Amino acid sequence: DQQVKQNSPSLSVQEGRISILNCDYTNSMFDYFLWYKKYPAEGPTFLISISSIKDKNEDGRFTVFLNKSAKHLSLHIVPSQPGDSAVYFCAASRSARQLTFGSGTQLTVLP
Amino acid sequence: KAGVTQTPRYLIKTRGQQVTLSCSPISGHRSVSWYQQTPGQGLQFLFEYFSETQRNKGNFPGRFSGRQFSNSRSEMNVSTLELGDSALYLCASSRFTPTLGSYEQYFGPGTRLTVT
Repeated sequence: DQQVKQNSPSLSVQEGRISILNCDYTNSMFDYFLWYKKYPAEGPTFLISISSIKDKNEDGRFTVFLNKSAKHLSLHIVPSQPGDSAVYFCAASRSARQLTFGSGTQLTVLP
Repeated sequence: KAGVTQTPRYLIKTRGQQVTLSCSPISGHRSVSWYQQTPGQGLQFLFEYFSETQRNKGNFPGRFSGRQFSNSRSEMNVSTLELGDSALYLCASSRFTPTLGSYEQYFGPGTRLTVT
């Protein structure tokens, strides 16, 4: 049972435009959500997180939106840069414990 | 501030052997978690330690074990290695600030284990 789903395995975006990465979850007990960027053979790099008591959190070019009623979150990257090309994982946690990861979305930013 | 460090970075073992991986969390972080990443299964949670106590355990066989020391450093051990244990093993340390509604988990570079 996949509790965290990233239904788009890949996404291509033009440099300078907005990248929107989506994630859905099924477990209503999740109360923290995190986004990571990952390169092959490296550990995930933490980007941004959001608590279930919020619906938006921003950090520089990264904004995460949470829609609890739809059990959906999204990561917006504006403007997208070629260096953003990587696999992006969303992850969810219950009570700040273990993370449950989605399957990842490969983002390619075209120059 | 130093990040999460893991040693060794690469390891080759043969079936039946055992292996110990080490992780040093970010200074001040008391929670350490371990994950396994494989192409087929993605990132899967192994276990979490907090103040030298295992707080959570994922769905892995008893051959996978871990411990945490008083300085928050952690080790994980895999005994009787199988070919399917070949994976990237990732350690993460966490910072949880409930008053701010903030939870962040930072990963180390990982240990690439190959079992032949």
